[in-house]
Amino acid sequence: GAVVSQHPSWVICKSGTSVKIECRSLDFQATTMFWYRQFPKQSLMLMATSNEGSKATYEQGVEKDKFLINHASLTLSTLTVTSAHPEDSSFYICSAGVFRGFGEKLFFGSGTQLSVL
Amino acid sequence: AQSVSQHNHHVILSEAASLELGCNYSYGGTVNLFWYVQYPGQHLQLLLKYFSGDPLVKGIKGFEAEFIKSKFSFNLRKPSVQWSDTAEYFCAVNARTDSSYKLIFGSGTRLLVRP
Repeated sequence: GAVVSQHPSWVICKSGTSVKIECRSLDFQATTMFWYRQFPKQSLMLMATSNEGSKATYEQGVEKDKFLINHASLTLSTLTVTSAHPEDSSFYICSAGVFRGFGEKLFFGSGTQLSVL
Repeated sequence: AQSVSQHNHHVILSEAASLELGCNYSYGGTVNLFWYVQYPGQHLQLLLKYFSGDPLVKGIKGFEAEFIKSKFSFNLRKPSVQWSDTAEYFCAVNARTDSSYKLIFGSGTRLLVRP
């Protein structure tokens, strides 16, 4: 089946540095990519949606200048946490989907645990 | 704004007990509905999905869900749970707005099945 590869799976960084997380769809071209974060013992929170051919749409309360999303191609999306702070420590998950015909394929990456010291 | 509500945050059952997890959504347009499962230490996996047609959807591992449009609900059921069903379950709604798509998750339900 289709696979979404997310790297790195775990990263520790110093406060003030930037961290880039990659999300790749390995055997299909994703028309839409989603980025989520999950705080401990809480639900997934949608951060942004990136559709083919358009800029990412950020959810209310998500700082677009802090969480830079680049949907470089139909198989690659990156999330860059700029000037990371301890409160950005979280579990980030991407998902990639093909929505021609509405919701036909949607796959999740394995997530990235970010710890900011 | 679209939202998804899961009423049970924690559920504890014994093996062979029946399971029903509630899910309600708020969105007036066309929706697709999903149930995902996250086993401990693993990533999300799709259990089942509803697009159209028969409102009773059967998924993997003996799970099923029923879409009741009048109640804006999509409850997940399993007649007899197993210890291996211990996981967190997320209901999700794919709400179409203009030409874009948005997948909104519920808060999740942690299921613990005691052997």
